[in-house]
Amino acid sequence: QVQLVQSGPEVKKPGASVKVSCKTSGYTFTSYGISWLRQAPGQGLEWVGWRSGYNGNTNYAQKFQGRLTMTADTSTSTAYMELSSLRSDDTAVYYCARADKSAWFFWGQGTLVTVSS
Amino acid sequence: EIVLTQSPGTLSLSPGERATLSCRASQTVSTTYLAWYQQKPGQAPRLLVYGTSNRAPGIPDRFSGSGSGTDFTLTISRLEPEDFAVYYCQQIQTSPRTFGQGTKVEIK
Repeated sequence: QVQLVQSGPEVKKPGASVKVSCKTSGYTFTSYGISWLRQAPGQGLEWVGWRSGYNGNTNYAQKFQGRLTMTADTSTSTAYMELSSLRSDDTAVYYCARADKSAWFFWGQGTLVTVSS
Repeated sequence: EIVLTQSPGTLSLSPGERATLSCRASQTVSTTYLAWYQQKPGQAPRLLVYGTSNRAPGIPDRFSGSGSGTDFTLTISRLEPEDFAVYYCQQIQTSPRTFGQGTKVEIK
């Protein structure tokens, strides 16, 4: 069965970077992209960006341009999202999801990133 | 950017009642690219409906989606206790992918 398993919670200081992993299984990693989104405490869902599983192309939400990097290790079917220059308003649960053409059928369990001095 | 506006913000209903949730888009969205998700506290969102009206695998038939153009609806025919949650619509037609702000369905 398809599974996406994310890395554990992180606590970072302002200005630091965080790298969240999303290990996939149960499907051919290179056949689907991975989308990332986040949810601040008590707030709604915000799309962060997407990386193609086929050719590595990326598409980032404009507000994260310059401090967001999405990569992958195809040998382990793992996607990564790295966000730098962290601020307190980056505190959120970050989710990965398999980017099917019409919707996101499969999701990771979420990773809480807390930015605090 | 396509803005999705959900209404109402909160829906207070009793088990067994019908719930009707609205999602209005700031520009036309192809029916292929409109989805609905359910989220419970502490959990990841779960896909309910994709392509406007197609139930995801394992989703009960009390959930149904409809609409076209800029107006879309999620209907829960008879609320079960486990249906009280927050519901989001999403468009994946254009970038950035966007979500509505959510409708909370709470127990009256």
